[in-house]
Amino acid sequence: AQKVTQAQTEISVVEKEDVTLDCVYETRDTTYYLFWYKQPPSGELVFLIRRNSFDEQNEISGRYSWNFQKSTSSFNFTITASQVVDSAVYFCALSESQFYFGTGTSLTVIP
Amino acid sequence: DTAVSQTPKYLVTQMGNDKSIKCEQNLGHDTMYWYKQDSKKFLKIMFSYNNKELIINETVPNRFSPKSPDKAHLNLHINSLELGDSAVYFCASSQVGTRANNEQFFGPGTRLTVL
Repeated sequence: AQKVTQAQTEISVVEKEDVTLDCVYETRDTTYYLFWYKQPPSGELVFLIRRNSFDEQNEISGRYSWNFQKSTSSFNFTITASQVVDSAVYFCALSESQFYFGTGTSLTVIP
Repeated sequence: DTAVSQTPKYLVTQMGNDKSIKCEQNLGHDTMYWYKQDSKKFLKIMFSYNNKELIINETVPNRFSPKSPDKAHLNLHINSLELGDSAVYFCASSQVGTRANNEQFFGPGTRLTVL
């Protein structure tokens, strides 16, 4: 069974639109961490955020925001007023005893 | 200042050859990893290694072997390269422990092309 599910394989939006990338995880641990990474076309993996399982506060960083809901095992990522530079593959990940990546969501922002 | 470095960045080679990719981390982490990213962008863990334990993903062919001369290095050796080995290989490191969150710090990747 997939530990981290990113059901959206590809998303295209027009610049300035808001977009939400979904992430659903599965774990029996009470202590775990969730992450989002960005992989732009240049190929490197860029860390965006880390969240521990005891902190359900939503976080906002500029145009980026994250909604962590333990009740639905989701850790969704929203980009507000998207820009072309946001075009990338975004990976959600879960860390418990091991580290698990989702399959990624490829976001294309059309100018 | 580079936290996790890999060499080479690009590697083009013929089928059947043996090649190595080097990885070094200067973060003082206790665990290092190799990931393979295929053309569909799936990130698959191949190995995790600390000075006590090597964990191998059972789906990885035994042509792939990690070699760690010390805590800061984990090199990847590939024997008898096949076309299907073409991918981007990422090295990563993390600090694993009860108070650590196991955040993965990635190298820039090595794009391997087997002809």
